[in-house]
Amino acid sequence: AQSVTQLGSHVSVSEGALVLLRCNYSSSVPPYLFWYVQYPNQGLQLLLKYTTGATLVKGINGFEAEFKKSETSFHLTKPSAHMSDAAEYFCAVSRSGNTGKLIFGQGTTLQVKP
Amino acid sequence: DSGVTQTPKHLITATGQRVTLRCSPRSGDLSVYWYQQSLDQGLQFLIQYYNGEERAKGNILERFSAQQFPDLHSELNLSSLELGDSALYFCASSVEGAREQFFGPGTRLTVL
Repeated sequence: AQSVTQLGSHVSVSEGALVLLRCNYSSSVPPYLFWYVQYPNQGLQLLLKYTTGATLVKGINGFEAEFKKSETSFHLTKPSAHMSDAAEYFCAVSRSGNTGKLIFGQGTTLQVKP
Repeated sequence: DSGVTQTPKHLITATGQRVTLRCSPRSGDLSVYWYQQSLDQGLQFLIQYYNGEERAKGNILERFSAQQFPDLHSELNLSSLELGDSALYFCASSVEGAREQFFGPGTRLTVL
């Protein structure tokens, strides 16, 4: 069975500092991996995805993530945090096959301090 | 704006009642997914429809059912509601062959 673990339910950084949100997955087959962001009272917005190919994936708003198969990780980074990055971030996995259902991690709330 | 619409935005009802949540996918998307987001369970996959047919089922209660109509919109029916059904319900859609899903704004259900 697939699962996703996000380390740290709350992460706090200063504006301009590096953002690092951790995600580890377990999957018996090569996974598809995603990061979504949820702003208060809104739906989920896709930040970036890994399906095949290049393991370093760039997304919107300056975020990127690297797929590391040996570490079963897909950590999300951004070099310099902005106040507008404060939100909840979800890592998700799906597997190849007929259904694309997503399995989500528990989420990480990012706080950005001025 | 993802292009996925959900109505209503908020729903307040009483225990034992039945409600219907509606979702319209992005133009051209044949797959519709329903998810439940609650504080204790997080984001959980409920059910997927593809072009009118059920394709996958997750942790969906027997009191819940869904369908996808010929115009591809989908409805999630929740019956015999309990306090614990209070949650955000999201609909998402995707194009066949693509793995990313686009989410609607959600329906917040409050059961009193």
